[in-house]
Amino acid sequence: QQQVKQSPQSLIVQKGGISIINCAYENTAFDYFPWYQQFPGKGPALLIAIRPDVSEKKEGRFTISFNKSAKQFSLHIMDSQPGDSATYFCAASNQAGTALIFGKGTTLSVSS
Amino acid sequence: DAGVTQSPTHLIKTRGQHVTLRCSPISGHKSVSWYQQVLGQGPQFIFQYYEKEERGRGNFPDRFSARQFPNYSSELNVNALLLGDSALYLCASSSPKTRNEQFFGPGTRLTVL
Repeated sequence: QQQVKQSPQSLIVQKGGISIINCAYENTAFDYFPWYQQFPGKGPALLIAIRPDVSEKKEGRFTISFNKSAKQFSLHIMDSQPGDSATYFCAASNQAGTALIFGKGTTLSVSS
Repeated sequence: DAGVTQSPTHLIKTRGQHVTLRCSPISGHKSVSWYQQVLGQGPQFIFQYYEKEERGRGNFPDRFSARQFPNYSSELNVNALLLGDSALYLCASSSPKTRNEQFFGPGTRLTVL
């Protein structure tokens, strides 16, 4: 399967700080890039998503930045809170919307 | 509104046995996808079904099969279980209008002994 590479593997951020998670993809046929949040024992929850025709999308404290030429996208969590402590996955899919290809995940810990 | 539901929540099987996992999509969603999530990894795509037809298959052996029913619910079947099949099995549904947006259920935790 086509890869989506995610970094860092883990992240510790102070309460109120900015959390940044990065992803890179290979397949130029991908045209949908979501981020999922997963708490232990739960299924992934869709957080925010972007398509390549825009460079940035913001929803509340969460922002996706997208660089089509570099084939990279990132999630920024502003004013990080202890409740944001979870595992975050980036993913990508093509126009058909069949398979989501996931990164390996980033475990975020927000310390109070 | 009810989200994606899956049953059972947990399951323990022994090697060589067969297992059936069930999924009910969000009301109005006609597509169901199955993913396997091994501990510490991202979900891996197994199947997608739309209107009872298979639309996509991931890189999984033929021991894995699935089907979708007229009410859009779905079953995932795994035969001849191996220790390596121990994982969280996730079901996701999507609507015809926003087919890329996949909404996940809580998963079924399968342990193979």
